[in-house]
Amino acid sequence: QQNVQQSPESLIVPEGARTSLNCTFSDSASQYFWWYRQHSGKAPKALMSIFSNGEKEEGRFTIHLNKASLHFSLHIRDSQPSDSALYLCAVSWPNYNVLYFGSGTKLTVEP
Amino acid sequence: EAAVTQSPRNKVAVTGGKVTLSCNQTNNHNNMYWYRQDTGHGLRLIHYSYGAGSTEKGDIPDGYKASRPSQENFSLILELATPSQTSVYFCASGDARGGNTEVFFGKGTRLTVV
Repeated sequence: QQNVQQSPESLIVPEGARTSLNCTFSDSASQYFWWYRQHSGKAPKALMSIFSNGEKEEGRFTIHLNKASLHFSLHIRDSQPSDSALYLCAVSWPNYNVLYFGSGTKLTVEP
Repeated sequence: EAAVTQSPRNKVAVTGGKVTLSCNQTNNHNNMYWYRQDTGHGLRLIHYSYGAGSTEKGDIPDGYKASRPSQENFSLILELATPSQTSVYFCASGDARGGNTEVFFGKGTRLTVV
């Protein structure tokens, strides 16, 4: 059984700040790691994924993965008000056909 | 863009009544999922399916049944609805290749059991 935990529960940052969201998982054999973003009242939508240790950057967003530490994170550079949303991390392991989600971090970016 | 359509979008049900939530996908995905979302719990998996005729229990299946009559359709059934099942329910679909491919979500159904 996968146990996915997120921190912090909520975060308020000023526009232009660098934001860091954290996720821990319970099985070091886990292989597929995702961040989903859900704007208020909308469907969750995939933001980024990573499948091996290290770092992956896409625009203002960067994912770090450290499987030995059972930890991955999402970093947002130059945060914008449009980034305000619920961020959900997910791990697709032990059943790689299923996403196991954390409880989410609510991010608010203030203008 | 992958399409997952849920109906109804909002539903009020009485305690003890039967509720059916429907989901249709036009992505030709093998895998389909039902999650519920409650504040502080993120998305919790109720049932999922690998294809027509298949249903599997997720992490919180008690009080729910699922039906997958075709590749496109996946239903969630509450035979005897209870107030604790008040929640927002999301259907999703994903490719059979699994974890390294994106899962696409519908817009959700808000269910209130009174």
